[in-house]
Amino acid sequence: GQQLNQSPQSMFIQEGEDVSMNCTSSSIFNTWLWYKQEPGEGPVLLIALYKAGELTSNGRLTAQFGITRKDSFLNISASIPSDVGIYFCAGLPRRNQGGSEKLVFGKGTKLTVNP
Amino acid sequence: GAGVSQSPSNKVTEKGKDVELRCDPISGHTALYWYRQRLGQGLEFLIYFQGNSAPDKSGLPSDRFSAERTGESVSTLTIQRTQQEDSAVYLCASSGLGLGNQPQHFGDGTRLSIL
Repeated sequence: GQQLNQSPQSMFIQEGEDVSMNCTSSSIFNTWLWYKQEPGEGPVLLIALYKAGELTSNGRLTAQFGITRKDSFLNISASIPSDVGIYFCAGLPRRNQGGSEKLVFGKGTKLTVNP
Repeated sequence: GAGVSQSPSNKVTEKGKDVELRCDPISGHTALYWYRQRLGQGLEFLIYFQGNSAPDKSGLPSDRFSAERTGESVSTLTIQRTQQEDSAVYLCASSGLGLGNQPQHFGDGTRLSIL
């Protein structure tokens, strides 16, 4: 089945640094989503991308839907301690590949920010 | 409240017992999803309900797992004869009119521990 390869698995950075993480797949996806999950909570949607090549920002976060439809990245600029958490990418496969509405998730990038 | 509500937040039970997990979606959301998240892992799709259509059960790992939804409201996920490998966080999400228009919003999950 479809899989998303998310990297890096973990990152340890200093406050103020920029962060970049990405997801790739051998399959085409119709939609890319980026979520953040903190301990004991469900994932919270950060950015949704619906068109190939789309670049969308949400405050210090920027994400792009790759032009090939097989990848996406998320950047966080000027990181702060509250950015700590696990970031997940998720993709919706194209309908004509047998996908329904179920998202495929990456395994997450665990971000640690040192003050 | 305005978000997806799940109960109980934590459940500890003995191997072999049945458990029932509940999800209250966001009012007006026609689509409802159940996912399983094992410790340190991404989210695994279990089942998807969309309005009155037949649910997509393709992610249910065994016939011990079942889910119901009444109309466009509450859903229950039932696990019969629980096994230790069922220990995980079970997350529910809802969205409006399918993912193409509305991204999924998650509850905080039920943390299930099988002794």
